[in-house]
Amino acid sequence: SQTIHQWPATLVQPVGSPLSLECTVEGTSNPNLYWYRQAAGRGLQLLFYSVGIGQISSEVPQNLSASRPQDRQFILSSKKLLLSDSGFYLCAWSVRNRPTEAFFGQGTRLTVV
Amino acid sequence: GENVGLHLPTLSVQEGDNSIINCAYSNSASDYFIWYKQESGKGPQFIIDIRSNMDKRQGQRVTVLLNKTVKHLSLQIAATQPGDSAVYFCAENIEDTGRRALTFGSGTRLQVQP
Repeated sequence: SQTIHQWPATLVQPVGSPLSLECTVEGTSNPNLYWYRQAAGRGLQLLFYSVGIGQISSEVPQNLSASRPQDRQFILSSKKLLLSDSGFYLCAWSVRNRPTEAFFGQGTRLTVV
Repeated sequence: GENVGLHLPTLSVQEGDNSIINCAYSNSASDYFIWYKQESGKGPQFIIDIRSNMDKRQGQRVTVLLNKTVKHLSLQIAATQPGDSAVYFCAENIEDTGRRALTFGSGTRLQVQP
């Protein structure tokens, strides 16, 4: 069976510090991978998606970047965090030809102080 | 901006009653519409999807209705249970843009009263 791992679950970081959130998927090959952000009480905003190694599509220009160094690994990064980067970050994957059914990780709650 | 939105931010129902959660969309190019459920502190979970050439699709205790004339989507939950309490999101997939990701609405909170 397929599983998705996302860590850490919670993170408190000072303004100006770097960020690295990691997500890995097991049990499937060549998945679509996604990073979403969810503000409190709001919907999901797509940040990045990837259809293959090294292929990253950015939805919204901002203080974040993403990388896919391996087929089932997706990393969300920032060189210098801003207060506005606080939120609930969700990694997800889907089968290549079935993007409607995305499987989400448990999320990382990031607080920038 | 988002193409998918919701009529009601919070819906409160009695246990055992049926629930109806509504969603409006504006993009006629969407080929699939999807419903997700998000429990507190967790990631969203896929419930059901419907292709744009269909009007109705049923799952286990859930039914999704699509009215393309008025661009309206609804999720019906039969015999609502306390475990159904969550935030429900509608989402759309637009195939013709080459984009391989979903656009989510802002969510409706369903509260089930015992």
